[in-house]
Amino acid sequence: AQTVTQSQPEMSVQEAETVTLSCTYDTSESNYYLFWYKQPPSRQMILVIRQEAYKQQNATENRFSVNFQKAAKSFSLKISDSQLGDTAMYFCAFGTFSQGAQKLVFGQGTRLTINP
Amino acid sequence: EAGVVQSPRYKIIEKKQPVAFWCNPISGHNTLYWYLQNLGQGPELLIRYENEEAVDDSQLPKDRFSAERLKGVDSTLKIQPAELGDSAVYLCASSPQGFYNEQFFGPGTRLTVL
Repeated sequence: AQTVTQSQPEMSVQEAETVTLSCTYDTSESNYYLFWYKQPPSRQMILVIRQEAYKQQNATENRFSVNFQKAAKSFSLKISDSQLGDTAMYFCAFGTFSQGAQKLVFGQGTRLTINP
Repeated sequence: EAGVVQSPRYKIIEKKQPVAFWCNPISGHNTLYWYLQNLGQGPELLIRYENEEAVDDSQLPKDRFSAERLKGVDSTLKIQPAELGDSAVYLCASSPQGFYNEQFFGPGTRLTVL
């Protein structure tokens, strides 16, 4: 079974700073995806970024980028030039292919607060 | 395009009462998921549907939980009877069929059992 661990329950930074959220996972699968989801107080989970395990190049989406270390089973999220709207819970998730569709296993989450 | 719709947003009931949650997925999405999210935790899959068929319900506590997806569109998740430990957020998500497709989440229903 896959497990996802987020070791930072809470983080807080000043607006415009850069922040890195950590995630490690454990799996014996060779074909998988990794995701970062954002959940603001409205509760709606929003996909921030995803990484295919077979790709060596780290994914980037505007101010969001990942550091994917496959051998170390590490998948961290870097948010550059942080904004007040980035305040939310962030969940790391591991995705496998199961019975024709995607199956996600989520970490416990990191509560990120961006201070003005 | 409308997102995943869930209702109600909040529900407060007394223990041993029944409760039902409704989900309307994004039009054209064959795959529908129900997740349980306890306070301060990540979502955990309860059940996944491909059209009308429940293809992964291994994590659904079948003694008190049931779900249905009639006509492969809307879905209902029911708890009968509810217990104090069922207090949580119940999330619905949908996606087009296939591994590579993003799951889109609804806003969830926050259940409080007194």
